[in-house]
Amino acid sequence: DAGVIQSPRHEVTEMGQEVTLRCKPISGHNSLFWYRQTMMRGLELLIYFNNNVPIDDSGMPEDRFSAKMPNASFSTLKIQPSEPRDSAVYFCASSRRTRGVYTFGSGTRLTVV
Amino acid sequence: QQQVKQSPQSLIVQKGGISIINCAYENTAFDYFPWYQQFPGKGPALLIAIRPDVSEKKEGRFTISFNKSAKQFSLHIMDSQPGDSATYFCAASAGGQNFVFGPGTRLSVLP
Repeated sequence: DAGVIQSPRHEVTEMGQEVTLRCKPISGHNSLFWYRQTMMRGLELLIYFNNNVPIDDSGMPEDRFSAKMPNASFSTLKIQPSEPRDSAVYFCASSRRTRGVYTFGSGTRLTVV
Repeated sequence: QQQVKQSPQSLIVQKGGISIINCAYENTAFDYFPWYQQFPGKGPALLIAIRPDVSEKKEGRFTISFNKSAKQFSLHIMDSQPGDSATYFCAASAGGQNFVFGPGTRLSVLP
């Protein structure tokens, strides 16, 4: 199993640009989570999906953030327009709903200049 | 009530020593308490986990101690090694979903 695959690994963009982060969860996992990690705030849950349906997006900081999961093998997190304070490492994680074990991807380090 | 508190923020231990990281929670609905280990440039990975029906769980050099009445749990790393140097996160969930993570402890084990 290749694990949770995130792309790109690094993204540098200018303020105001649209950024799209991608995630492929582990096959057979039916829950998917997007986290943001910063030194100041640690790991913050942004949104999670069960069976491709968004369950809780209360952690999405602003309307500039949106997430989709069009099928069981793909999810995107989009920031439009991006701002310097969005700079962070964004992690995707997946799990089998009843197992409670998260497998994290390697993350996308986003820098907005 | 959803918070998980973690201490210390950073920890330096000599090789062969014992590393101890403590966490506390308020939400009595939490029923699953994992610890995650994160190396630089990597995502967190599950290290060990415990449910509140036991007071201790041991896997190799790693032990979780759980005190349900005090709503506290801790990670003990025996015979700490330089390869254990990483950031450790405690977490808690109710029903195995939607984990709340502690702020993390950066452990450095000196050779």
